[in-house]
Amino acid sequence: AQSVTQLDSQVPVFEEAPVELRCNYSSSVSVYLFWYVQYPNQGLQLLLKYLSGSTLVESINGFEAEFNKSQTSFHLRKPSVHISDTAEYFCAVSENQAGTALIFGKGTTLSVSS
Amino acid sequence: DTAVSQTPKYLVTQMGNDKSIKCEQNLGHDTMYWYKQDSKKFLKIMFSYNNKELIINETVPNRFSPKSPDKAHLNLHINSLELGDSAVYFCASSQVGRDTQYFGPGTRLTVL
Repeated sequence: AQSVTQLDSQVPVFEEAPVELRCNYSSSVSVYLFWYVQYPNQGLQLLLKYLSGSTLVESINGFEAEFNKSQTSFHLRKPSVHISDTAEYFCAVSENQAGTALIFGKGTTLSVSS
Repeated sequence: DTAVSQTPKYLVTQMGNDKSIKCEQNLGHDTMYWYKQDSKKFLKIMFSYNNKELIINETVPNRFSPKSPDKAHLNLHINSLELGDSAVYFCASSQVGRDTQYFGPGTRLTVL
């Protein structure tokens, strides 16, 4: 069975500051890793994912995450955040085969203020 | 065009009632899911269907019954609603052989 721990429930930052949202996972099998974002009163959108290959993955809006197998981590980073990045961020894991359920962490609320 | 749609978006009902939530995807995917997001925003899988067959059925009360009339639809029927059923229910879909699940906008169920 897999589990996901998001180490920070809330992360307040000022606009243009860097941010890191931490995620650790536990699994006895190979996994896929995901970050989803949920804007207020909206559904979940895929931000980025790690399947295999390069351990550094990037999104189109400036976020990146690095898969670290030895530390079983998949932390999300952005060098300079915007007000519009304010949202709930969920780290998720699934077994390394398509069609299996996502196991989510409890989410991190990123609040960006000016 | 909405890839994964759910109806209704909001559902307010009394305890003891029976209600249904509908989900449709136009992505041509063959696997669909229901997730529940509780008041603390924790997301948990409830069910998944592949080609209309149930493949995941987590520990969910028997009052919840998913139905998949075809690959593009997965509905959730809930009998004898309880206060604890209040949550946001998300439908998602994916394609076998592809890893990404696409989520609908959610249905906020409030049981009074």
